[in-house]
Amino acid sequence: AQSVTQLDSQVPVFEEAPVELRCNYSSSVSVYLFWYVQYPNQGLQLLLKYLSGSTLVESINGFEAEFNKSQTSFHLRKPSVHISDTAEYFCAVKETSGSRLTFGEGTQLTVNP
Amino acid sequence: DVKVTQSSRYLVKRTGEKVFLECVQDMDHENMFWYRQDPGLGLRLIYFSYDVKMKEKGDIPEGYSVSREKKERFSLILESASTNQTSMYLCASNAPAGIANEQFFGPGTRLTVL
Repeated sequence: AQSVTQLDSQVPVFEEAPVELRCNYSSSVSVYLFWYVQYPNQGLQLLLKYLSGSTLVESINGFEAEFNKSQTSFHLRKPSVHISDTAEYFCAVKETSGSRLTFGEGTQLTVNP
Repeated sequence: DVKVTQSSRYLVKRTGEKVFLECVQDMDHENMFWYRQDPGLGLRLIYFSYDVKMKEKGDIPEGYSVSREKKERFSLILESASTNQTSMYLCASNAPAGIANEQFFGPGTRLTVL
């Protein structure tokens, strides 16, 4: 069985500051890793995913995450955040042979002017 | 665009009522999922289905049942609602296992049980 831990439940930052949302996972088998974002009063949307190949993956809106196998981490970063990035972010893991996602507890990112 | 729709955005029910939450997807996906989302706990899987009339328990199935009579529709049933089932319920779907594709989520149903 796999598990995911998001190390920060709330992250307040000022606009244009850099941000890192931390995610650690544990699994005894190969996994795929995902970050989802949930804007207020909406469902979850995929932000980015790591399947294989380059350990650095990017989203279209400037977020990036790096898969670190030795540290079993998949931290999400953005060099300069906008007010519109305010949302809850969920890290998730899936066994490569399975269908189920296991989610972390979520991190509320609040960007202040 | 993939569309996953849920029958209600907000629902208020009384303790002991039978509650139906409906989910429909339009992408011919084999897999469908029901989660509940609670603050500080993330999303927890209640049930999932990998084909019509097939279902598997997730991590927290107690107090819930599901029905999948048609490929596009997956229903979550609370046989006798209780106050501890007050939560946000999210439905999702994706293509079969072994394919590293994303799950697509509906907008959620916020259920309050009084």
